[in-house]
Amino acid sequence: GAGVSQTPSNKVTEKGKYVELRCDPISGHTALYWYRQSLGQGPEFLIYFQGTGAADDSGLPNDRFFAVRPEGSVSTLKIQRTERGDSAVYLCASSLDGTSGYNEQFFGPGTRLTVL
Amino acid sequence: AQSVTQLGSHVSVSEGALVLLRCNYSSSVPPYLFWYVQYPNQGLQLLLKYTSAATLVKGINGFEAEFKKSETSFHLTKPSAHMSDAAEYFCAVSGGSIYTGRRALTFGSGTRLQVQP
Repeated sequence: GAGVSQTPSNKVTEKGKYVELRCDPISGHTALYWYRQSLGQGPEFLIYFQGTGAADDSGLPNDRFFAVRPEGSVSTLKIQRTERGDSAVYLCASSLDGTSGYNEQFFGPGTRLTVL
Repeated sequence: AQSVTQLGSHVSVSEGALVLLRCNYSSSVPPYLFWYVQYPNQGLQLLLKYTSAATLVKGINGFEAEFKKSETSFHLTKPSAHMSDAAEYFCAVSGGSIYTGRRALTFGSGTRLQVQP
C-alpha cells in the first residue's frame, strides 16, 4: 500500500508570504504528526492530531503556524507571514493509533521549504 | 519532560568493523525508545523500538539495541558494518501515562555514520 505522501516536495517562497503544506497519511491511520527538521538537526515536534482534533499543539513555535485535519485524513500545515528562519524540511508522519506512544510512526519524504 | 542525547555527531568505521552509536535519554515516565535511519534524500525509516518487553531489541539490517535503565541508555550496535549502512541515525523517545506525556517523538540531533572501504 501507499506510504505517507507530502506535497509539494519543494517550496520556495518570499519572506512575508503565506504557504500551505499538505500531508496524506497512510489509509486507516488515526494519528498524524508534523515535525520540522533544520539542517544538521533531528526532527522537532510541531503538532499531533488524533482523528480530526489537535491533541497536542505544544510544538508550534508561534501563532503564524496553524494546522488542520478536517476529515481525519489529509492534513494541511499553514504558515503565515513566512520568515527566513522558517526554512527547513517539514516532515509528516502517521501511526495506526496515537493513544499509545509505542506505535510506529511512518514518515513521509518531507517538504523542503525555502524562504528567501 | 523527555530528552535524548546522541554522543558523537559523526562516526566513521571500516567495512566489517563493529558499529556503536550512543544514545542516552531522559524521561520522567517509563519511556518507549526508537532508532530511525535516514538515507540521503529519503524519509525516516524505523530500525527498531523498545516498548518495555525484552531489553535487547533486534531490528532490521542486522542492527540491535539494548535498553539499560540504570544507565538511561539505548545504544545501537551492529557486529559488522556494510557500505550500505552509511546514513544518518536518530534516537528518539516517546511515552507517558494515559493522562500525561507526549505521544510525539523527541529526537536526538543525529549521528552520521560513514563506512570506509
